[in-house]
Amino acid sequence: GAVVSQHPSRVICKSGTSVKIECRSLDFQATTMFWYRQFPKQSLMLMATSNEGSKATYEQGVEKDKFLINHASLTLSTLTVTSAHPEDSSFYICSASRGGELFFGEGSRLTVL
Amino acid sequence: GENVEQHPSTLSVQEGDSAVIKCTYSDSASNYFPWYKQELGKRPQLIIDIRSNVGEKKDQRIAVTLNKTAKHFSLHITETQPEDSAVYFCAASIHSGGGADGLTFGKGTHLIIQP
Repeated sequence: GAVVSQHPSRVICKSGTSVKIECRSLDFQATTMFWYRQFPKQSLMLMATSNEGSKATYEQGVEKDKFLINHASLTLSTLTVTSAHPEDSSFYICSASRGGELFFGEGSRLTVL
Repeated sequence: GENVEQHPSTLSVQEGDSAVIKCTYSDSASNYFPWYKQELGKRPQLIIDIRSNVGEKKDQRIAVTLNKTAKHFSLHITETQPEDSAVYFCAASIHSGGGADGLTFGKGTHLIIQP
């Protein structure tokens, strides 16, 4: 199957700093990627849809100025958590569609101290 | 937007027995219904999916049924094994020739297989 890779897999940062997470489609081009957030023992919640070459579409309740998304190429989307706070600690997962099937990255666990 | 309800939240079955997880969706335009298995700390893995032009799909011990009229779909696992223990998520979205919308997930079912 198609491969979607995320980096870093784990990151710990201090409150107030910014963290960037990368999502790459390794063997296909993805014009659209999706970012999800998953709190412990909860479901995946769609945060935003990342579109190559245009602005991301954010779900209701997700602050676009806090969660900056850039999809500058057909194989890379980045999510930057700006001015991170402890409540932003979560598992962030990206996905990309290929041939009608969605492929997920490994996920990035963010811990904000 | 789409709303997906999933039941039960926890399901414990004896090894070898069958397990059934049920989901309902609200948006009649949804036409793609995947099921994912997620182990702790790992990415969701697609185990089976069904599209709205089909009522049932089977892959070895796993089957999914879809009732478009009632807007519900179910996952059936037969002859359960210890390695089936995980959290299972149903999801719904709209797929078209040009791509797919983001998935709306159910809240998940923690399946426990008792030896």
